[in-house]
Amino acid sequence: GAGVSQSPSNKVTEKGKDVELRCDPISGHTALYWYRQSLGQGLEFLIYFQGNSAPDKSGLPSDRFSAERTGGSVSTLTIQRTQQEDSAVYLCASSPSRGAGETQYFGPGTRLLVL
Amino acid sequence: AQSVTQLGSHVSVSEGALVLLRCNYSSSVPPYLFWYVQYPNQGLQLLLKYTSAATLVKGINGFEAEFKKSETSFHLTKPSAHMSDAAEYFCAVSGQGAQKLVFGQGTRLTINP
Repeated sequence: GAGVSQSPSNKVTEKGKDVELRCDPISGHTALYWYRQSLGQGLEFLIYFQGNSAPDKSGLPSDRFSAERTGGSVSTLTIQRTQQEDSAVYLCASSPSRGAGETQYFGPGTRLLVL
Repeated sequence: AQSVTQLGSHVSVSEGALVLLRCNYSSSVPPYLFWYVQYPNQGLQLLLKYTSAATLVKGINGFEAEFKKSETSFHLTKPSAHMSDAAEYFCAVSGQGAQKLVFGQGTRLTINP
C-alpha cells in the first residue's frame, strides 16, 4: 500500500519568508510525528500528534515553528520568518497507534534550504 | 531522559566481512530499541526493533541485534556484508510512555569491493 508521502520534496526559500511543509500519513494511522535532520544536530524530534489528544510540542525549537493536523490525517508544519539555521531535511512519520514500541514509518522528507 | 550513543560515525568493511555497528543507550525506564537504515535521499526504513520479547532480534536483509541490559547495548550485526548495505544506520530508543524516538548520531557504513 501507499506509504507516508511528503511535499514538496525540495524547497528553496529566502530568509524571512514563511514555508509550509505537508505530510500525508499512511491511511488509518492515528499517530503522526515530525522530525528534523540536520548536519549539526542529527535527527531531532519536533512534534507528535495522536488522535484528538493535544499534541506533544516539546521538540519545537522556537515559536516560529508550528504544526497542525486536520481531520486526524494530513499534517502541515509551518516555519515563519525562516532563518538559515532552519535549513534541514524535515521528516514525517506515522504509526498505527500510540502503543509502546510501535514502528514509525517514515516519509522521504522535505529538503529545505534557506538562503 | 533517554539517550543513544553510536560509536563510530563511519565504519568501513570489505564485502563479505562481518558488519558490527555499536549502539549504547541510556534510559530510566525499560526501553524499546530500534535500528533504522537510510539510503541516500530517502527516508528511514526499519531494520529491526526490540520490544522486551526475545533479546536476540532478527531483522530484514540479514541483520540482527542483541539487547544486553547489563551492558546497555543494542549492537547491530550482519555476518557477511553486501555492497547494497552501504547506507547510514541509526539506533533509536523510546520509552513506555513517550512515543517519540531519540536517535543516535548515525553511522555511515561503507562497503569496499
